[in-house]
Amino acid sequence: AQSVAQPEDQVNVAEGNPLTVKCTYSVSGNPYLFWYVQYPNRGLQFLLKYITGDNLVKGSYGFEAEFNKSQTSFHLKKPSALVSDSALYFCAVRDEGNTPLVFGKGTRLSVIA
Amino acid sequence: DAGVIQSPRHEVTEMGQEVTLRCKPISGHDYLFWYRQTMMRGLELLIYFNNNVPIDDSGMPEDRFSAKMPNASFSTLKIQPSEPRDSAVYFCASSVLGRETQYFGPGTRLLVL
Repeated sequence: AQSVAQPEDQVNVAEGNPLTVKCTYSVSGNPYLFWYVQYPNRGLQFLLKYITGDNLVKGSYGFEAEFNKSQTSFHLKKPSALVSDSALYFCAVRDEGNTPLVFGKGTRLSVIA
Repeated sequence: DAGVIQSPRHEVTEMGQEVTLRCKPISGHDYLFWYRQTMMRGLELLIYFNNNVPIDDSGMPEDRFSAKMPNASFSTLKIQPSEPRDSAVYFCASSVLGRETQYFGPGTRLLVL
């Protein structure tokens, strides 16, 4: 069965600095990997996904993620953080079959001005 | 497209009462998912449907919970009788197989007193 780990409950970063939110996964076969963001009192919003192709995936709001098969990781990154990036971020994975996404527990990102 | 629509957005009820949450998926999507989010347990998948048929309800916590999808544009999640520990935010999401991305509704915030 697939699983996702987000090792950090909270990440703090100063505005303008690069940010990284970590995610590792376990899945049989090739993974389908996703990042979602949740702002307060809102539903989850899709940021980006990796299905196949380039290991570096670019998504919404300047975010990108790097798929690393050997390390089974899919870390979310942004070169310069904004205060408005402060939110809860979820990593998710599924396998190639018709199984639903498995979500991590989420990482709360706080960008400080 | 209006996105996934959920109603009500907020629900306050007393223990023992029946609660019905509603969801309208994005037109053309053939998968529908119900999730529950709490601080303690994070995001939990309760049940999902494919072409209106329940595929996996193993996440439904108890017999007090039931879900239906009478047609492609409507689903309900019912709790009867409700208990204070059911207090949570309930999300509905939909997707199209092959495109993989799940789109979430704004959620229903349920408080059972």
